[in-house]
Amino acid sequence: SQQGEEDPQALSIQEGENATMNCSYKTSINNLQWYRQNSGRGLVHLILIRSNEREKHSGRLRVTLDTSKKSSSLLITASRAADTASYFCATVSNSNSGYALNFGKGTSLLVTP
Amino acid sequence: NAGVMQNPRHLVRRRGQEARLRCSPVKGHSHVYWYRQLPEEGLKFMVYLQKENIIDESGMPKERFSAEFPKEGPSILRIQQVVRGDSAAYFCASSPARWESGYTFGSGTRLTVV
Repeated sequence: SQQGEEDPQALSIQEGENATMNCSYKTSINNLQWYRQNSGRGLVHLILIRSNEREKHSGRLRVTLDTSKKSSSLLITASRAADTASYFCATVSNSNSGYALNFGKGTSLLVTP
Repeated sequence: NAGVMQNPRHLVRRRGQEARLRCSPVKGHSHVYWYRQLPEEGLKFMVYLQKENIIDESGMPKERFSAEFPKEGPSILRIQQVVRGDSAAYFCASSPARWESGYTFGSGTRLTVV
């Protein structure tokens, strides 16, 4: 079963607006990662946040992690048409292996000019 | 630096044929992972390999699927006697021995079984 579940499934905004996507998961994690996938392409790693971190920034991206609620959010500020893509959260569990990424179904973001 | 290279990008096979998907990891990365993505779904873990070793194949179907990562050459995901349900995008990712950031994914191979 999917570990991460993104919300909403689809989001449509205008350029310049902020986009917020949420992710919930079920088991304890080592870290949580966000990826972007353009249509028909591979995944691009955006940001990794460890279980002992609460917030992380990278350019226009801001990620938060609340381990007590088992949830994370990805905020894209001042969105651009080029941000149109699907966004996936993926968790790495605290198991002995600690390598397999567990993906959600993703949020499809559409940014219109 | 070249990223993860997967080929072919698109592969069409008739039911019952074999499909061979190739993945060359980032230079210096010794860990390779294969994931499968069905339409409108997230990626699902299939197998994790290091050079000449399968570390975890818990996500692989028990029959018809196999993977290898030889000492020389790319990692290969092999699907024998393909069926329509095997149609999906197959992604390969790699990481260094001790990764501190996310995986590097290839652009995927889109397998269509007709």
